[in-house]
Parts: sequence; structure tokens; C-alpha cells
Amino acid sequence: EIVLTQSPGTLSLSPGERGTLSCRASQGVSSSHLAWYQQKPGQAPRLLIKGASRRATGIPDRFSGSGSGTDFTLTINRLEPEDFAVYYCQQFGSSVWTFGQGTEVEIK
Amino acid sequence: QVQLLESGPRLVKPSQTLSLNCTVSGDSISSGDYYWSWVRQHPGRGLEWIGYIHYGATTYYSPSLQSRVIISVDTSENQFSLKMSSVTAADTAVYYCARAGYSSGWYSDPWGQGTLVTVSS
Repeated sequence: EIVLTQSPGTLSLSPGERGTLSCRASQGVSSSHLAWYQQKPGQAPRLLIKGASRRATGIPDRFSGSGSGTDFTLTINRLEPEDFAVYYCQQFGSSVWTFGQGTEVEIK
Repeated sequence: QVQLLESGPRLVKPSQTLSLNCTVSGDSISSGDYYWSWVRQHPGRGLEWIGYIHYGATTYYSPSLQSRVIISVDTSENQFSLKMSSVTAADTAVYYCARAGYSSGWYSDPWGQGTLVTVSS
């Protein structure tokens, strides 16, 4: 089972700042097998990024994904008030899919 | 527009079997293009992948749950189901169904709205 470790656990930022979220895999994951989601309280997760770097339909370009192998990054440029939420990475690299534990982006 | 909707009992007694359905609209579950998955979220916690089924009956489950979980498909109702046996209070969670697939990368989308299942006597 591939374990995904997200850091930091909580990121305190102000609107307009840049957020950098990390997702580290316990073994190599193909870039095509890594996705990112945003979740707000009381809502289902929302797909942001697939294939490590491809924005899903309708996702603003302030969200970008990068990385390969065991290290992946979600960057949120110029944080908007609606971006304060919890973010999860998910890997599809083995028959057993897994999620990271999440990073909460909170208002500083 | 594809939509998924979970349904089933919201309260289950300890040691009994949790049963949920996910009804799919806007897509055929038998098309073979997608993987139909279940994810849960304990109160205040992160997402936990439970398992998936691909039409043709290929299933994979989380190793920590596989002894208690069965995911199946009902093509006549265009829905897929989750059964989890011998539940305890630790299985109290919001259960989501989601469609997974590949297009320039793997992804899970869309998701159902989620349903809170409480295990309590």
C-alpha cells in the first residue's frame, strides 16, 4: 500500500498570499496517478488537479500542480477567501488507492 | 451531467451490516469506462478509501477493511452498493460514492453528496 504524507498539517495564510502544499509518497507514483481535491465543511471533495498537473474543468489557474516520483506539490497563488479549505492528494498507482491525511489552509 | 446519490439506513446497530446504495444518473454504470468507488470520512478526520468495482466485477478493497466489505453492481438499477459487515462505533462516518477514471490523468469525479451513517444501539 502506498502511503501519502501531506505537509504541513495546517497552513496559516492571508488572502493574496501563495500557499505551497506537499504530498510525499512512500514509493514512486507515476504523475498520471496523482490527483488533488479541495474539501469545504459539509461538502464532498472537489477535484482540482489530475495527472499531477492538469487542472480539472472550471478550476481557476491560480491552482497549479507539479511533481513526480515521490514528491508532489499543489500551489495556490493569490489566495482568495473561498480557497480556505482542506486539501487532499490521492494516488491511483496501485490496486489499492489511498489519500493523504490532508492539509488545512486557514486564514491567518 | 453525471450525478451520484447515496442512499440507505442512517443508523445501524453494532455487529450488523451497513448497506448503502449509490444511484448513478447521466452515465451508464455498465459502460466499462469508469471505476465506481466508496470513500468514507470519520467525523473531523480525513478521507479513507474503501474500495472500488469496475464493470466486469473486478473489485479491490482497502486491506484494513477487505475482510468486511463487499462492493457490487446492479446494472438494472444503474447503481452500485457497499456492504460492510460486523460494524462497530468506529465505522460511524460520512460515506461517499465517487466515479473514478482516466483522462489525461486519473481522478475521482463526480462525488455523491455523502451520507452520515451512525453505528449505535
